[in-house]
Amino acid sequence: NAGVMQNPRHLVRRRGQEARLRCSPMKGHSHVYWYRQLPEEGLKFMVYLQKENIIDESGMPKERFSAEFPKEGPSILRIQQVVRGDSAAYFCASSPSTPEGTEAFFGQGTRLTVV
Amino acid sequence: AQSVTQPDIHITVSEGASLELRCNYSYGATPYLFWYVQSPGQGLQLLLKYFSGDTLVQGIKGFEAEFKRSQSSFNLRKPSVHWSDAAEYFCAVVGVSNYQLIWGAGTKLIIKP
Repeated sequence: NAGVMQNPRHLVRRRGQEARLRCSPMKGHSHVYWYRQLPEEGLKFMVYLQKENIIDESGMPKERFSAEFPKEGPSILRIQQVVRGDSAAYFCASSPSTPEGTEAFFGQGTRLTVV
Repeated sequence: AQSVTQPDIHITVSEGASLELRCNYSYGATPYLFWYVQSPGQGLQLLLKYFSGDTLVQGIKGFEAEFKRSQSSFNLRKPSVHWSDAAEYFCAVVGVSNYQLIWGAGTKLIIKP
């Protein structure tokens, strides 16, 4: 049973370009969470999705960031018109249900560098 | 608001020595607490978790943690560290949302030969 798969592992974008980060949850998991880790900081919650639904996007910046988890295929975190401050590690986690009573399994992250 | 504090940014211990990493949380109800480890360039691996019951929980790789409600703490311990334990350790608590993890800033563990 493969774990949470994120790709790419490393992504370099020039300022103003778009970044697309992909996350395939573990088999049988229908809940996906995205977190951002800025340098020298802990992770910060961004968004919680179930299939075709955004449950909580309270941690997402209001502009340029969007996330989806379609019926088929991976979850996508999309950052439009990237800026240097978007450089960070983005982690995806999945769980079979909400983490209460269970654990969320994390991918290896995508390290975004904006140049 | 919920918060997690890891007071030590870096800790250096000699190989074979004992280890304690501190974690304090702020949360009104009974918390769900986690310790994760992040090796350089790697993802996050769950070491152990506390939901209820016995306040001393055992995890993988020889780690354990003790939940102390009176001190709002969930410190991670290991009796004898190995060079392969060098990594960054994160404490986290599930917030009132029941799914959102609130994270500490992490403690980097350095092992001296």
